[in-house]
Amino acid sequence: AQSVTQLDSQVPVFEEAPVELRCNYSSSVSVYLFWYVQYPNQGLQLLLKYLSGSTLVKGINGFEAEFNKSQTSFHLRKPSVHISDTAEYFCAVSDGDYKLSFGAGTTVTVRA
Amino acid sequence: GAVVSQHPSRVICKSGTSVKIECRSLDFQATTMFWYRQFPKQSLMLMATSNEGSKATYEQGVEKDKFLINHASLTLSTLTVTSAHPEDSSFYICSANLPPTDTQYFGPGTRLTVL
Repeated sequence: AQSVTQLDSQVPVFEEAPVELRCNYSSSVSVYLFWYVQYPNQGLQLLLKYLSGSTLVKGINGFEAEFNKSQTSFHLRKPSVHISDTAEYFCAVSDGDYKLSFGAGTTVTVRA
Repeated sequence: GAVVSQHPSRVICKSGTSVKIECRSLDFQATTMFWYRQFPKQSLMLMATSNEGSKATYEQGVEKDKFLINHASLTLSTLTVTSAHPEDSSFYICSANLPPTDTQYFGPGTRLTVL
């Protein structure tokens, strides 16, 4: 099973400022990587995914992430956040067995 | 596309009763669905993998006789919490795997409260 570490449990950020959420995973094999967002009392919504190809992945709502195999990282970024980006963000990894291993989550709070 | 629904969204029941939660993939067929449990302010914990037409695979520590899973069709999986107790109160979330990739699409979750 994969181990996923989200290095920041809470990230406060001002509106229109950039944000980066860090994610590292443990693996010696090829993996699939995902970022999900969860709004209060809701399920998870897929933001973006890396399966293969270009290491820079663009997702919904202006988010992007970069896969770095040598550093086993998949950090999520957004150049300018909105109040509506306040949510819980989960990084997840699969090594091809259809199961996902989730990180502990990062709470992003956007302030005006 | 890739929409997953759950029903009910919220349920309150008395201790000792059984509760059934449905998970449906609305616009695709899912041979594999997953059931997760999430405690407040925590990540998702995989409970079991539900495979259409076969028995579910449970994660270590999850009681299969307490959490009954049935995946009778390619668009429906059900989780039944039998003889529920207050400690079973939680947020239950399902997901469906969209083949041929490992991408899982999640339902909106079911809040179970056992009194």
